[in-house]
Amino acid sequence: RKEVEQDPGPFNVPEGATVAFNCTYSNSASQSFFWYRQDCRKEPKLLMSVYSSGNEDGRFTAQLNRASQYISLLIRDSKLSDSATYLCVPFTGGFKTIFGAGTRLFVKA
Amino acid sequence: NAGVTQTPKFQVLKTGQSMTLQCAQDMNHNSMYWYRQDPGMGLRLIYYSASEGTTDKGEVPNGYNVSRLNKREFSLRLESAAPSQTSVYFCATYLGEGRNTGELFFGEGSRLTVL
Repeated sequence: RKEVEQDPGPFNVPEGATVAFNCTYSNSASQSFFWYRQDCRKEPKLLMSVYSSGNEDGRFTAQLNRASQYISLLIRDSKLSDSATYLCVPFTGGFKTIFGAGTRLFVKA
Repeated sequence: NAGVTQTPKFQVLKTGQSMTLQCAQDMNHNSMYWYRQDPGMGLRLIYYSASEGTTDKGEVPNGYNVSRLNKREFSLRLESAAPSQTSVYFCATYLGEGRNTGELFFGEGSRLTVL
C-alpha cells in the first residue's frame, strides 16, 4: 500500500458547486496533515494544516478521520480560481515528507 | 527577499552528461529537500537534508547525489543523465524547529530534459 493515496480525478464541477476529495494514509503515526495547492507548472503552496480533527478556512474545510486513516478536503462555492491540483501530506514528525500524487480539480463557468 | 532560488530553470542534456542543480535559500531554514515531479506521479522525494552537514535518501535516490554545502545551499547532481530523469525538479525548505507547521517553501522548479 502506498504511504499516501489520492483519487487523481479530474473532478469537473461548475462554479458554485461543493466538491470534496479524500486522501488515505498508511502510517498510523502521522501526527499532522497538510493540503497543498499546485497550479499548473507552478510550485506547490500550503493551503491548510490539520492538527486535530479538522480545520476550516473560509470556503475550505479539512476533516481528519484517524480511525479510518483518511483526511478530506471540502471546497464550498467553487470558484474558477480553485482549479488546481490538491496535494495531501501526512506528517509523522520526522523530516521525510512524502506527498500524495494529487487530485486535479477543474471548475467551469 | 527571494525565498528559495533554483538554477537553472531549464536545461536540456544528452544521455550520459552530468549536471548540477543549485538551490539557495535566504529563509534561514534548517531543512532542505529535492523532489522530482512527473506527470501523474506527484512529488517524489529524492534526497533531503534535515540540517547542515546531514543528508538522507528519500523515495527515489538512485542516479542522484546531493551536497549540503552550507545552511543556505543544497545541490543535486546527476552524474550520468538518463532519459528517465527527464522531470521537473523542485527544491524546498522547512524551518525544522519548534512546532511543526508543516509548511514547505518551494522554489519555482527546474525543468530538465534528457535526450
